[in-house]
Amino acid sequence: EAGVAQSPRYKIIEKRQSVAFWCNPISGHATLYWYQQILGQGPKLLIQFQNNGVVDDSQLPKDRFSAERLKGVDSTLKIQPAKLEDSAVYLCASSLGMGGEAFFGQGTRLTVV
Amino acid sequence: SQKIEQNSEALNIQEGKTATLTCNYTNYSPAYLQWYRQDPGRGPVFLLLIRENEKEKRKERLKVTFDTTLKQSLFHITASQPADSATYLCALETYGQNFVFGPGTRLSVLP
Repeated sequence: EAGVAQSPRYKIIEKRQSVAFWCNPISGHATLYWYQQILGQGPKLLIQFQNNGVVDDSQLPKDRFSAERLKGVDSTLKIQPAKLEDSAVYLCASSLGMGGEAFFGQGTRLTVV
Repeated sequence: SQKIEQNSEALNIQEGKTATLTCNYTNYSPAYLQWYRQDPGRGPVFLLLIRENEKEKRKERLKVTFDTTLKQSLFHITASQPADSATYLCALETYGQNFVFGPGTRLSVLP
């Protein structure tokens, strides 16, 4: 079974530039999550999708971050414009639904300089 | 406000001993509590899930307890090995389907 795929693996951008991350979840998984993990901290939930609808985006900085899940499968997370404090690992995860284990991708390490 | 705390940032134990990690939460009503392992440079990997009406779950050398009155979960690794060294994260899933993680505890098992 293929795991959660994320790209790119690493990205370095200057502040005020824009960046996009892509995630392909495990086939059949209805729930998709994007997390931000700053070094030394636990993952912070940015947005959660159930199929292509948003379940929770309460911690997504909507003035600069946006996310979509096309046809309930792949998802993209965009930051525009980036700030220095956005430097973190962005993790995508998917699960069958409530009570199911979450499978994580390897993450995208973003450095904003 | 809602909060998830894990006992300490780092825990060092001797090989062969039992490691006990704590997860405490406030202002959540979790339907499920999960434990994950995270190695440097990698995403978290699922270990165990326990439901709100369960007291204890075991899997090989791992044991999880869940006390909804104390709002606490304990995660035990018995006969610990250096290969168990990693960061361990607890995660709560509520009926509102929020899936949130604690800050993690970095465990080092010393040979």
